[in-house]
Amino acid sequence: AQSVTQLGSHVSVSEGALVLLRCNYSSSVPPYLFWYVQYPNQGLQLLLKYTTGATLVKGINGFEAEFKKSETSFHLTKPSAHMSDAAEYFCAASNNNAGNMLTFGGGTRLMVKP
Amino acid sequence: DAEITQSPRHKITETGRQVTLACHQTWNHNNMFWYRQDLGHGLRLIHYSYGVQDTNKGEVSDGYSVSRSNTEDLPLTLESAASSQTSVYFCASSDRVAETQYFGPGTRLLVL
Repeated sequence: AQSVTQLGSHVSVSEGALVLLRCNYSSSVPPYLFWYVQYPNQGLQLLLKYTTGATLVKGINGFEAEFKKSETSFHLTKPSAHMSDAAEYFCAASNNNAGNMLTFGGGTRLMVKP
Repeated sequence: DAEITQSPRHKITETGRQVTLACHQTWNHNNMFWYRQDLGHGLRLIHYSYGVQDTNKGEVSDGYSVSRSNTEDLPLTLESAASSQTSVYFCASSDRVAETQYFGPGTRLLVL
């Protein structure tokens, strides 16, 4: 069965510092990969996704992620954190073997200190 | 603009009562999904539908049912609410399976 693991349920960074949120997946076939962001009391919003092609994917709000097949990873980064980036971030994967359903990681809460 | 809405946004009910959560999308998407979100579990799939009259069970379907009579709506029914069903429920839709899912704002349900 497909699974998605996010290392670190809470990550704290200072404003202006690098943001790195980790995501690893287990899949026997190349998956589609997604990062979603959830602000308090709101639904999930797509940040970026990887389907095929270029392995470095750029998303909204300055975030990007790189698909590394050899490491089965899809880590999310942002060079400089803003206070407005404080939210919960979810990594998700889907592939044909899982009936194309999305499997979510447990989420990482990002806190940004002034 | 196309959107996906959920109602009610907050609901308090008692154990044993039947509860229905509404989900309505104007994207004209064929695929619709219901998830529950609980601390430490991320989002878990309850039921999903690939089109009118199609419904399928997800990972945590026990105690829940859905029906799809038109493209726009996928109501979620808790047949007999239990305290373990206290959660935040999200509806989502997508154009094609494995493509981007668009989420509603969520319904916070408390079962006393």
